[in-house]
Amino acid sequence: AQSVSQHNHHVILSEAASLELGCNYSYGGTVNLFWYVQYPGQHLQLLLKYFSGDPLVKGIKGFEAEFIKSKFSFNLRKPSVQWSDTAEYFCAVTPSGGAGNMLTFGGGTRLMVKP
Amino acid sequence: GAGVSQSPRYKVAKRGQDVALRCDPISGHVSLFWYQQALGQGPEFLTYFQNEAQLDKSGLPSDRFFAERPEGSVSTLKIQRTQQEDSAVYLCASSPGGGRDSPLHFGNGTRLTVT
Repeated sequence: AQSVSQHNHHVILSEAASLELGCNYSYGGTVNLFWYVQYPGQHLQLLLKYFSGDPLVKGIKGFEAEFIKSKFSFNLRKPSVQWSDTAEYFCAVTPSGGAGNMLTFGGGTRLMVKP
Repeated sequence: GAGVSQSPRYKVAKRGQDVALRCDPISGHVSLFWYQQALGQGPEFLTYFQNEAQLDKSGLPSDRFFAERPEGSVSTLKIQRTQQEDSAVYLCASSPGGGRDSPLHFGNGTRLTVT
C-alpha cells in the first residue's frame, strides 16, 4: 500500500517570501501525484497534478511542483506567497492504472502568511 | 447547488448512538468517495462507489460503519454505536468518471463529535 509523508506540519511566512512544502511518498510502482488546498472554511480543491511527462508541473495561483522520481518526492513551490495563500495543503498519491482517483493523502501542512 | 453537498454540517452524538451522514454529489457524477479526517491529519479513504455499486470498502474501520448509494446518486454513511474515536470530519467527494483524469470534487464535510 502507498503512503504519503509531509514533514512540515506548520509553516509561517511573511508575504513575498518563497515557499517550498515537502512531500514524499512510498510506493513500489508508478504513481499519479496531486496537491490539494483547503482555504479556511472551504472544501478541498485541486491545486495541481502530475501524471507523466515533464516532471515540473504548474498549477493555479502561481504554484508549481516538481516530481523527483529518485527521491520519491513531489514538493510544492511558490516564488512569492500572498496573505491569501493562508490555507492547509495536502499532498496525495494514487497508483497509476488503479482506481484512478482513489487518493491517499499526507497529513497536511498548515501555512500561515503574515501580511 | 453546483457542488457536493453534505448534511448535517455538524453532528454531536452521545457514545453509543447511531448517526447517518448524507452526501449529495454533483448531478451525473458516477464516482463517489467517503473519507474520514481526524483532527490534525489528512483525509483517509473509507469507501468508494461507482454508481450504486460499492467497489471498495477496505477503509471502513469497523463493521459499525456502513455506506450505501442505492440509486447511484445520494449516499449515506451510517455509523452504529458511535465511539469517541469516531470523532472526525467525514468528507464526501464525487467525480464524473473513475479514471485519473476525472477530478474529485469535495464537499465541506460533516464534523462529528462523539461525547
